[in-house]
Amino acid sequence: NAGVMQNPRHLVRRRGQEARLRCSPMKGHSHVYWYRQLPEEGLKFMVYLQKENIIDESGMPKERFSAEFPKEGPSILRIQQVVRGDSAAYFCASSPGATNEKLFFGSGTQLSVL
Amino acid sequence: DAKTTQPNSMESNEEEPVHLPCNHSTISGTDYIHWYRQLPSQGPEYVIHGLTSNVNNRMASLAIAEDRKSSTLILHRATLRDAAVYYCIPSSYNFNKFYFGSGTKLNVKP
Repeated sequence: NAGVMQNPRHLVRRRGQEARLRCSPMKGHSHVYWYRQLPEEGLKFMVYLQKENIIDESGMPKERFSAEFPKEGPSILRIQQVVRGDSAAYFCASSPGATNEKLFFGSGTQLSVL
Repeated sequence: DAKTTQPNSMESNEEEPVHLPCNHSTISGTDYIHWYRQLPSQGPEYVIHGLTSNVNNRMASLAIAEDRKSSTLILHRATLRDAAVYYCIPSSYNFNKFYFGSGTKLNVKP
């Protein structure tokens, strides 16, 4: 059973470009979480999605950031018009239910904005 | 969110036990104590969790103080692969409420 898959592993963008980060949860998991980790800091919650629904986006910046988890396909975290401050590691996690005991993380996408 | 206090870093020798402390004096009565670790360039990995009683699994043991204001993660025999940042997270199972603090960076010496 494959774990949580994130791609790309590394993404380089110039300021003003768009970044699309993809996350395929573990098989059978319908709950997806996105976290961001700035250099030398802990992970910060961004958004919680179930299939076709955003449940909690309280950690998402108000502008330029959006997330989706369509009925078919991976979850996408989209950052429009990237700025240098968006450079960070973005981690996706999944769980089979809202109150599962464990959260399973992917290896992350390292976004670098030039 | 219950705030935690963990040492910034700790060091251990290989094959010796390691005790990683965590203070969470503002924990609520229904919060579990979760521990995750993050190896270099990897996403966090579940280690163990508990509510009131001490817990054991194949990776570690969790000792929870009687007043639940502190806990200790115990690695019985540290290996080089245990070098990671260890996060103590008092929370329910609402993962959108997980607060990853700064954690403890564990260095294991051969």
